[in-house]
Amino acid sequence: AQKITQTQPGMFVQEKEAVTLDCTYDTSDPSYGLFWYKQPSSGEMIFLIYQGSYDQQNATEGRYSLNFQKARKSANLVISASQLGDSAMYFCAMREVGNTGGFKTIFGAGTRLFVKA
Amino acid sequence: DVKVTQSSRYLVKRTGEKVFLECVQDMDHENMFWYRQDPGLGLRLIYFSYDVKMKEKGDIPEGYSVSREKKERFSLILESASTNQTSMYLCASSLSPSGTKQPQHFGDGTRLSIL
Repeated sequence: AQKITQTQPGMFVQEKEAVTLDCTYDTSDPSYGLFWYKQPSSGEMIFLIYQGSYDQQNATEGRYSLNFQKARKSANLVISASQLGDSAMYFCAMREVGNTGGFKTIFGAGTRLFVKA
Repeated sequence: DVKVTQSSRYLVKRTGEKVFLECVQDMDHENMFWYRQDPGLGLRLIYFSYDVKMKEKGDIPEGYSVSREKKERFSLILESASTNQTSMYLCASSLSPSGTKQPQHFGDGTRLSIL
């Protein structure tokens, strides 16, 4: 079963506007972490933001924020004031503590974001 | 800054060849990972290692093996390359997880084509 679901294969956003990239997850482990990574066309994966399952507040890192709704099992990434350099593939990922000691991270299929000038 | 270096950005090999993909990290990370990335499937874990000479199978280990003789180096081996192993391969490293917080740091990827 899919543990991480990103339902938007591609998204367009106008420069300077905000955009939300959706991510839902499935786990029965009470202790888990959620990550967002950015992959530009050059290929490298860049860590953006982290949210722990026990964190009380939504994570923020500069223009990135994570809209964490635990009961709905969603962890959407919000990018404010989009820039042309935000055009990239974005991956949502989850790490469970579980019986693998927190080593395994599961990735979604990704959302390709296009920022229009 | 963490640096994860993969030996090749692009590689072309023939069916049946033994292929080595090398990965080196410079931050003394305990954990190293090999993923393959295919369109529409995201990243899938092939193998990971949490210590020198230790390895664990990921979700798709068939047709692959790994070697970790030194802490900084993690090699992925395609024993007998096949066309369905044409893919982008990503290496990553991380500190030991205290809970779930440690992010993974990735190399630039190797785009491997098997002809």
